[in-house]
Amino acid sequence: GAGVSQTPSNKVTEKGKYVELRCDPISGHTALYWYRQSLGQGPEFLIYFQGTGAADDSGLPNDRFFAVRPEGSVSTLKIQRTERGDSAVYLCASSSPTSAYEQYFGPGTRLTVT
Amino acid sequence: DAKTTQPTSMDCAEGRAANLPCNHSTISGNEYVYWYRQIHSQGPQYIIHGLKNNETNEMASLIITEDRKSSTLILPHATLRDTAVYYCIVTYSSNTGKLIFGQGTTLQVKP
Repeated sequence: GAGVSQTPSNKVTEKGKYVELRCDPISGHTALYWYRQSLGQGPEFLIYFQGTGAADDSGLPNDRFFAVRPEGSVSTLKIQRTERGDSAVYLCASSSPTSAYEQYFGPGTRLTVT
Repeated sequence: DAKTTQPTSMDCAEGRAANLPCNHSTISGNEYVYWYRQIHSQGPQYIIHGLKNNETNEMASLIITEDRKSSTLILPHATLRDTAVYYCIVTYSSNTGKLIFGQGTTLQVKP
């Protein structure tokens, strides 16, 4: 079946601009996660949704980062006033309600801030 | 911070078993050990998990020591496609699904 999809696959933006990154989870997966991965590092947790609500947003680095999941399926990660340090691969994952730690990851969106 | 320690890199000959160690000396009684891998330019992929018993699936085997302070992931017959970064993760007992990745072990399978 279809896996987790993320769009765009690559995004280049100028410092100070606003970007949106989209994640389509596996159908039926109520849990959705966003991670960020810098070069040479392991993925870093950002936020976790259970249904429509953000159950844990402790990983969001500051208030420039925001994520939504209005209908409990597709999620959008929004970054305002981008900075060069935001350049990374942004990964999305989803899981079923009974297997929270068995997560299916998308291919990621590579964000480059120039 | 990650609650696990893994070697930075390992090599393995194609067709041989790859044994990837992980130390998790501060693991709590109700915390699981999960293994993921990440092939270059792809998202991480779930491999296997366990609590205290050894586990096996179609991808790998997981051996957890009796005191649960360490574990070993075994790929029984490594292929070139198994070249990847392997992450050992100890989960939080709250079951939120929050994965804390460390640096992982880069496994290079050589012909």
